[in-house]
Amino acid sequence: GAGVSQSPRYKVAKRGQDVALRCDPISGHVSLFWYQQALGQGPEFLTYFQNEAQLDKSGLPSDRFFAERPEGSVSTLKIQRTQQEDSAVYLCASSLARGLAGAARETQYFGPGTRLLVL
Amino acid sequence: DAKTTQPPSMDCAEGRAANLPCNHSTISGNEYVYWYRQIHSQGPQYIIHGLKNNETNEMASLIITEDRKSSTLILPHATLRDTAVYYCIVRAPFPGGKLIFGQGTELSVKP
Repeated sequence: GAGVSQSPRYKVAKRGQDVALRCDPISGHVSLFWYQQALGQGPEFLTYFQNEAQLDKSGLPSDRFFAERPEGSVSTLKIQRTQQEDSAVYLCASSLARGLAGAARETQYFGPGTRLLVL
Repeated sequence: DAKTTQPPSMDCAEGRAANLPCNHSTISGNEYVYWYRQIHSQGPQYIIHGLKNNETNEMASLIITEDRKSSTLILPHATLRDTAVYYCIVRAPFPGGKLIFGQGTELSVKP
């Protein structure tokens, strides 16, 4: 079946520009996560949705970062007034497949990421 | 902070078994060990997970010590396409449980 998809795959933005990154999770997955990965580092958690509810946004680095998932499926991560330090790969993951139980249900599957470069 | 410790890099000859160690001495009773890998310019790929028993799937085997303080991921016949950064993560399987990635092990499979 289809995995997690993200678009665009690459985005170049001028400093100060707003950007929107899209994530299409695996169909039927209830949970959706956003991670940020700086060059040479492991991914770091940004925020988590269960259906349309944003239950954890503790990892968002500033109030310039905003995420939404209005219908409990597609999610958008928006970064306002981008700065050079926002340059990173933004990864989306989904999990909590209905019909499974235990740890298998919680396994997160990642998309290919959006590589953002802010000039 | 990550709750796991992994060697920063390892080499393996193509066709041989790759054994990647991970220490997780502070693991709690309800925490699973998950392994992901990340091939260059791709998103992390789930490999396998386990609680206390050894596990095997089509990609790899996971050996967890009896005291659960360490584990080893085994790729039985490494190929060049297995070159990647491998992450060992411990996590309790509740909804919303974020993954905390460490630095991982950069595995280079050489011909």
